Amino acid sequence: EIVLTQSPGTLSLSPGERATLSCRASQSVSSTYLAWYQQKPGQAPRLLIYGASSRATGIPDRFSGSGSGTDFTLTISRLEPEDFAVYYCQQYGTSPWTFGQGTKVESK
Amino acid sequence: EVQLVQSGAEVKKPGESLRISCKGSGYSFTRYWINWVRQMPGKGLEWMGRIDPTDSYTNYSPSFQGHVTISADKSISTAYLQWSSLKASDTAMYYCARSWGGGNDYFDYWGQGTLVTVSS
Repeated sequence: EIVLTQSPGTLSLSPGERATLSCRASQSVSSTYLAWYQQKPGQAPRLLIYGASSRATGIPDRFSGSGSGTDFTLTISRLEPEDFAVYYCQQYGTSPWTFGQGTKVESK
Repeated sequence: EVQLVQSGAEVKKPGESLRISCKGSGYSFTRYWINWVRQMPGKGLEWMGRIDPTDSYTNYSPSFQGHVTISADKSISTAYLQWSSLKASDTAMYYCARSWGGGNDYFDYWGQGTLVTVSS
């Protein structure tokens, strides 16, 4: 199965700063079948990005995704207070679908 | 409005059986796969498997194959996740989520989660 490794484990930033989250795959992800989700405490995950770079419905444009092959990035251009959460990448190109272990974005 | 509504929290003893549910509404239930995702306490997300409600075809992650059963009743737009003999290690939050399939297998809508606690 494809193993996804996210870094860093925790990102400590202030509102207004830029966040850059990395997701590296153990083998190439087919056709950029890579998604990003946001999860806040006590809530279900929410889809942010699919196809590596397409924003889901209703997602603000401060969220952007990029990458291909084995290296993917989620960027939050200017952190808003509601963006502090845990972020997961997921590949859905090769079964079994797999998730990264998550990156926590916390307020400094 | 698309909704996936899951059944309520469960507290069970080791060895007991359990079935939890996920009811879809606001969309054509048979047009989307239903996936199940486990989140153990304080941990990340794990994909367990999925079902096509049209014909109940299933895919399982090897990590969960044989440990759980996924089923669906399209007549009531409901998918299920069941265990025949629970273990303490099954204690977790379980989410259902839909995906379109055919390469668009990301999860665009999620249920609210069902907390399963297994303790003697």
